[in-house]
Amino acid sequence: GENVEQHPSTLSVQEGDSAVIKCTYSDSASNYFPWYKQELGKRPQLIIDIRSNVGEKKDQRIAVTLNKTAKHFSLHITETQPEDSAVYFCAASSASGGSYIPTFGRGTSLIVHP
Amino acid sequence: GAGVSQSPSNKVTEKGKDVELRCDPISGHTALYWYRQSLGQGLEFLIYFQGNSAPDKSGLPSDRFSAERTGGSVSTLTIQRTQQEDSAVYLCASSLLPGGPGELFFGEGSRLTVL
Repeated sequence: GENVEQHPSTLSVQEGDSAVIKCTYSDSASNYFPWYKQELGKRPQLIIDIRSNVGEKKDQRIAVTLNKTAKHFSLHITETQPEDSAVYFCAASSASGGSYIPTFGRGTSLIVHP
Repeated sequence: GAGVSQSPSNKVTEKGKDVELRCDPISGHTALYWYRQSLGQGLEFLIYFQGNSAPDKSGLPSDRFSAERTGGSVSTLTIQRTQQEDSAVYLCASSLLPGGPGELFFGEGSRLTVL
């Protein structure tokens, strides 16, 4: 089955700095890579996703890059703000037999200091 | 348009008791997932329902765990003879899946504490 590794487990930055979270996956058949943000006590919510036919996707201060050859993808947050503080989860998913079951990383706790 | 609804939001039980957790997915979503989130851990897959297909139970940690989805809508996760290591937040999610992977919409979760 799929295995997703996520690093770092904790990331502390100053407001305005950039933050990068990296994930690797094992199943070369994976073709969908979402990122979820979970604020304290809240439900995880999708913030950005990328499919295997593109290498990069941007949405305002957030970008995701994908390297299929190396089987890794990364989340980049620029000009971080205190409200970016949360746990971020990466995931990988493939259409195995028509099932789409995302495998999640263990999460990165991002702390943005004002 | 209501989101995914889970109940109870909190459940405290004694070791050895059975518990049932309920999930109401978004109307029209064909896929339903259960995940478990232990303190400081990631999201551990438990079970997946897709339309009328047989569920994928590959993530259930033991035979004390079972789940059903009635009428393609509401799902119930049952844990029998609960153990302390079952303490976690149980998250339900649903997805539209229009022929491919897409966004999972999560509920707020059911926090289970086994004393």
